[in-house]
Amino acid sequence: EAGVVQSPRYKIIEKKQPVAFWCNPISGHNTLYWYRQNLGQGPELLIRYENEEAVDDSQLPKDRFSAERLKGVDSTLKIQPAELGDSAVYLCASTPRTSGANVLTFGAGSRLTVL
Amino acid sequence: GENVGLHLPTLSVQEGDNSIINCAYSNSASDYFIWYKQESGKGPQFIIDIRSNMDKRQGQRVTVLLNKTVKHLSLQIAATQPGDSAVYFCAENLRGAGSYQLTFGKGTKLSVIP
Repeated sequence: EAGVVQSPRYKIIEKKQPVAFWCNPISGHNTLYWYRQNLGQGPELLIRYENEEAVDDSQLPKDRFSAERLKGVDSTLKIQPAELGDSAVYLCASTPRTSGANVLTFGAGSRLTVL
Repeated sequence: GENVGLHLPTLSVQEGDNSIINCAYSNSASDYFIWYKQESGKGPQFIIDIRSNMDKRQGQRVTVLLNKTVKHLSLQIAATQPGDSAVYFCAENLRGAGSYQLTFGKGTKLSVIP
């Protein structure tokens, strides 16, 4: 099993530029999460999908962040325009069930540096 | 709001000794807790979990203790090895409105001295 796959692993951009991250969850996992992890901090939830539906996006800064999971499998997270404070690691995770307390399986993350 | 926190940000232990990583939580409604290990450049990796109806759970070389009276969670690692060096996060699950939220603490960095 490949696990949760994310790309790119690293991205360096100048502020005001757009950036996009891609996630392929574990096969069969219908719940997908995007987390942001600042340096020295724990992950913080940005958005949660159940299949193709965004069921919790309350923490997503909607003025510049957007996400989609059109076919209920892969997902992309976009930032446009990026700001200096967006520098962080963006983690994708998935679980096989939508109810109850499940163990999240994380990808390796996409490290963003905004200059 | 209520947060998951940690008593110690860093912990150094000698190889072969036991490690204890502590975590305080403040939300009494949390019903499930997970410990994750995160190595440099990698995503968090599941170690062990415990439900609120238990006070102890053991895995391979790891034990999680839950004290609901004082809202305290700990991770014990027996015979700590260099490969245990990582940042450890506790996370609490708060059930509400048919879904749940997993909230992470800030993490404790464990350094194993060979």
